[in-house]
Amino acid sequence: DTAVSQTPKYLVTQMGNDKSIKCEQNLGHDTMYWYKQDSKKFLKIMFSYNNKELIINETVPNRFSPKSPDKAHLNLHINSLELGDSAVYFCASSPGQGRMNTEAFFGQGTRLTVV
Amino acid sequence: AQSVTQPDIHITVSEGASLELRCNYSYGATPYLFWYVQSPGQGLQLLLKYFSGDTLVQGIKGFEAEFKRSQSSFNLRKPSVHWSDAAEYFCAVGALVTDTGFQKLVFGTGTRLLVSP
Repeated sequence: DTAVSQTPKYLVTQMGNDKSIKCEQNLGHDTMYWYKQDSKKFLKIMFSYNNKELIINETVPNRFSPKSPDKAHLNLHINSLELGDSAVYFCASSPGQGRMNTEAFFGQGTRLTVV
Repeated sequence: AQSVTQPDIHITVSEGASLELRCNYSYGATPYLFWYVQSPGQGLQLLLKYFSGDTLVQGIKGFEAEFKRSQSSFNLRKPSVHWSDAAEYFCAVGALVTDTGFQKLVFGTGTRLLVSP
């Protein structure tokens, strides 16, 4: 009964490939996010969706395309993978329409390695 | 712009000793503050949060944090550290994204806690 689940947990792929990471939450939250953790453990928001609508896009290259088929799912598709895309990608969700004073619940992360 | 500073990259504490992890934030409005913990190979788990009210907040696993507006700080404390507390700790501030009414979390760079026997 994992609250926020991501698949796969590990992903190793070659430069130039296209890959997707899936995220599902069973908390009934309206808002979902993608955060990226780089090799120095720095966490930064990439995208946020509220009820399937894109709310936040933090100047992420357009090779990254999030898709939210419904409010319980937020997938991340990455085209033409580059070495610099290697990172841990975290999905998260929050209640309360993602407004202020709400906490985020994180998934276990997907470690993407581009070789 | 909003930012969070965790000045200690790593800290080593003896098991049973007390712990304080420092966090300073920069945010123009009322801050919403969080501490998350990341165990090796795991996701982030919320330890505690401050939204308003009592400036000393209690969290899970025996952790507490104190909000000090005058110092722009939100330091995390634990009176007696256990070996299982070894992990990476992240302080974060909830920042309003302009023209959206929604927030994003702005994280510090983390502090790695090592626990010695």
